[in-house]
Amino acid sequence: NAGVTQTPKFQVLKTGQSMTLQCAQDMNHNSMYWYRQDPGMGLRLIYYSASEGTTDKGEVPNGYNVSRLNKREFSLRLESAAPSQTSVYFCASTPGLKTGELFFGEGSRLTVL
Amino acid sequence: AQSVTQLGSHVSVSEGALVLLRCNYSSSVPPYLFWYVQYPNQGLQLLLKYTSAATLVKGINGFEAEFKKSETSFHLTKPSAHMSDAAEYFCAVSHSNYQLIWGAGTKLIIKP
Repeated sequence: NAGVTQTPKFQVLKTGQSMTLQCAQDMNHNSMYWYRQDPGMGLRLIYYSASEGTTDKGEVPNGYNVSRLNKREFSLRLESAAPSQTSVYFCASTPGLKTGELFFGEGSRLTVL
Repeated sequence: AQSVTQLGSHVSVSEGALVLLRCNYSSSVPPYLFWYVQYPNQGLQLLLKYTSAATLVKGINGFEAEFKKSETSFHLTKPSAHMSDAAEYFCAVSHSNYQLIWGAGTKLIIKP
């Protein structure tokens, strides 16, 4: 029962460094998402992939890139990290919101110094 | 455009008291509505959802929510609060089959 797995769980970066957050789901879901969560701001969608082979921008895509590697995996890349990207990042997946729900990973806490 | 408003960033109730968390939405089409719960240092998990069947929806852990179209509301209730209910609760409305519009969240504090 792994569900949605995110790595790493914690990361500290210096301004300008790059890194990739990995996400994998084992539920055969079509759609996958990357959110960031900041205090008092709820969840904000960064990018999503409605199905394998497609990706679309969400509410706050600037400074991020994504790759839907296959049906299971959806990665989020920060090319040049900035302090404003300090946040908790959540990956989620769903078979489709009209028939299912969003399943979330446990989150990745990123600090950019 | 769709939007979700949760009244109160923090709600404090005594153990055993009624829990009421408010959610109002705006939507131009019949919505799918959701409540998610986030326990400390965890991801979100679905509490319950409304998908145009019964207007009173029962969820996990004794929570329920009532869809009121005339009031564009989907308030979450629980008759008797337990210490384990302390968490952050998020209301959301489906924008499409692929996206949710989220409220800002309400932290529920349970007083002993």
